[in-house]
Amino acid sequence: AQSVTQLGSHVSVSEGALVLLRCNYSSSVPPYLFWYVQYPNQGLQLLLKYTSAATLVKGINGFEAEFKKSETSFHLTKPSAHMSDAAEYFCAVIPNYGGSQGNLIFGKGTKLSVKP
Amino acid sequence: EPEVTQTPSHQVTQMGQEVILRCVPISNHLYFYWYRQILGQKVEFLVSFYNNEISEKSEIFDDQFSVERPDGSNFTLKIRSTKLEDSAMYFCASIAGRYTGELFFGEGSRLTVL
Repeated sequence: AQSVTQLGSHVSVSEGALVLLRCNYSSSVPPYLFWYVQYPNQGLQLLLKYTSAATLVKGINGFEAEFKKSETSFHLTKPSAHMSDAAEYFCAVIPNYGGSQGNLIFGKGTKLSVKP
Repeated sequence: EPEVTQTPSHQVTQMGQEVILRCVPISNHLYFYWYRQILGQKVEFLVSFYNNEISEKSEIFDDQFSVERPDGSNFTLKIRSTKLEDSAMYFCASIAGRYTGELFFGEGSRLTVL
């Protein structure tokens, strides 16, 4: 079964520092991969998605992620953290492409804290 | 901007009671989902719904759960006899078409079972 693993349940960075949130996937076929963000007391919002086009994907709020097949990774980065980036970030995959209706399988999430 | 709306935002219920969580998906979307997130844990898929029937369900979605689209706009999740472990945030989501991948989520309904 396809799954995603997010390393680190909690990441803390200083404002202006690089943000790196790690995600590794397991898949026997090229997956669709996603990053969602959840701000406090809100629903999930799509940050970006990889659907087998460009390997470097740019999303909203200055975030980007790079699909690396050799490493089975899809890490999320942002060059300079802002206080408003504090949220929980979820990596997700669509399993069994070709048989699924599109339901996502989520990682456990990484809570990002940004210190002033 | 169109959005998925959920009611209630928070419901407290006694163990054994029936609960109905309501969702209004985006109007031109065709696929509907329920996910749940137990406090401190990951978001888990419960069920997907298309063409007025369940298309997929997880092992979490047992006989206590049911979904319905009673009219052209609402999509409901019913829990027949709630258990303590049903306490969670329940998210409704919808998607325009298959494989586009961009699920649009509601803000969630927090269910607390006492």
